[in-house]
Amino acid sequence: GAVVSQHPSWVICKSGTSVKIECRSLDFQATTMFWYRQFPKQSLMLMATSNEGSKATYEQGVEKDKFLINHASLTLSTLTVTSAHPEDSSFYICSARGGGASYEQYFGPGTRLTVT
Amino acid sequence: EDQVTQSPEALRLQEGESSSLNCSYTVSGLRGLFWYRQDPGKGPEFLFTLYSAGEEKEKERLKATLTKKESFLHITAPKPEDSATYLCAVQAGGNNRLAFGKGNQVVVIP
Repeated sequence: GAVVSQHPSWVICKSGTSVKIECRSLDFQATTMFWYRQFPKQSLMLMATSNEGSKATYEQGVEKDKFLINHASLTLSTLTVTSAHPEDSSFYICSARGGGASYEQYFGPGTRLTVT
Repeated sequence: EDQVTQSPEALRLQEGESSSLNCSYTVSGLRGLFWYRQDPGKGPEFLFTLYSAGEEKEKERLKATLTKKESFLHITAPKPEDSATYLCAVQAGGNNRLAFGKGNQVVVIP
């Protein structure tokens, strides 16, 4: 149980284009989803938190107009990197948390984004 | 601010050589401490949640323990497939977010 998928697993795009990454909870309803970014040899950096049907809450320093997050249903959240630049190249990972007393977050397999 | 410090940063073990990883934390109102395993190029895989001091949980060769200031992840008789980065995270207060440590990179040599 508690499986989270991400699509695509890797993507290469040209500078200036936009890329959408999907995150799905496959066997549970995710009231809250999180988006992280991870650089090589570093730990996860939280970018934003989203609750179903609400606007995402972005961490300090994360541009909300550049990283658009939509959490339209209890099983799907999307991250759109708009007008991507080479410095946006990174490993993006989502996680999902169900409701209730459990605080556990279950992570997706990640998406490797390369901007050329 | 919640702080999580993991040590050692890197550890090389011979197969069968048991060891422990440390996660020290400073938080206000711990809601839960989490251990994850992360393989290169993959997302973290959930291992354990610990909620209160004295709690212990086991899974195969892994055992996690919790005190009021730190958590240990004990690896008993490790195998090469236990090679990974082990991440510790805490959730505190009314916060939804997890505060992560930098990880313990473990390499088990056959």
